[in-house]
Amino acid sequence: QLQLQESGPGLVKPSETLSLTCTVSAGSFRSSTYYWGWIRQPPGKGLEWIGNIHYTGSTHYNPSLKSRVTISVDTSQNQFSLRLTSVTAADTAAYYCARLSSYGRQYYFDFWGQGTLVTVSS
Amino acid sequence: EIVMTQSPATLSVSPGESATLSCRASQSVSSNLAWYQQKPGQAPRLLLYGASSRATGIPARFSGSGSGTEFTLTISSLQSEDFAVYYCQQYNDWPPITFGQGTRLEIK
Repeated sequence: QLQLQESGPGLVKPSETLSLTCTVSAGSFRSSTYYWGWIRQPPGKGLEWIGNIHYTGSTHYNPSLKSRVTISVDTSQNQFSLRLTSVTAADTAAYYCARLSSYGRQYYFDFWGQGTLVTVSS
Repeated sequence: EIVMTQSPATLSVSPGESATLSCRASQSVSSNLAWYQQKPGQAPRLLLYGASSRATGIPARFSGSGSGTEFTLTISSLQSEDFAVYYCQQYNDWPPITFGQGTRLEIK
């Protein structure tokens, strides 16, 4: 069974950079069928897609966050990472990593990590 | 950006009854729509994709319909574990991938 696990600091100061890593178990990381994505959820609110990366390094970002987001991949470690710069309190959220299936041109998130809460506060 | 609007915000239904949740897209998304279930403190779980195809392991009491701009998630014979928040997500025209704001299904 595929597993994804987020890791990184749970507290980030305003104006600093949020950095998270997702480690993927099992063997689908280098499959052309899948992308690897980040989604966030502010406390008590809905889901917001941040962006995706393919194991080849191809990325897609949410235009609303694009100027502050970088997603990178390390295929040797089966990991992908999120960097979000110049954070404010509005970036406080649970951050999820997930697998985006592109099988048959259907793009849905079929496996999710448990999520990690990141609080932006001084 | 395609805006997804879900209704109602909260739905109160008794166990054993059926629930119908709606999702509307601001422009046509064809059948490129997924539904997710989220319970408190947990990650979302994929229920349906392609508007009506159940994901692996999803019970048959979950069904989806619709295309274009109007979609429905129906849950028949509600069980206690079905009370949760449900989100729709479009992937017809992205980036960005967009989600609805969610419908909370609560016990009546």
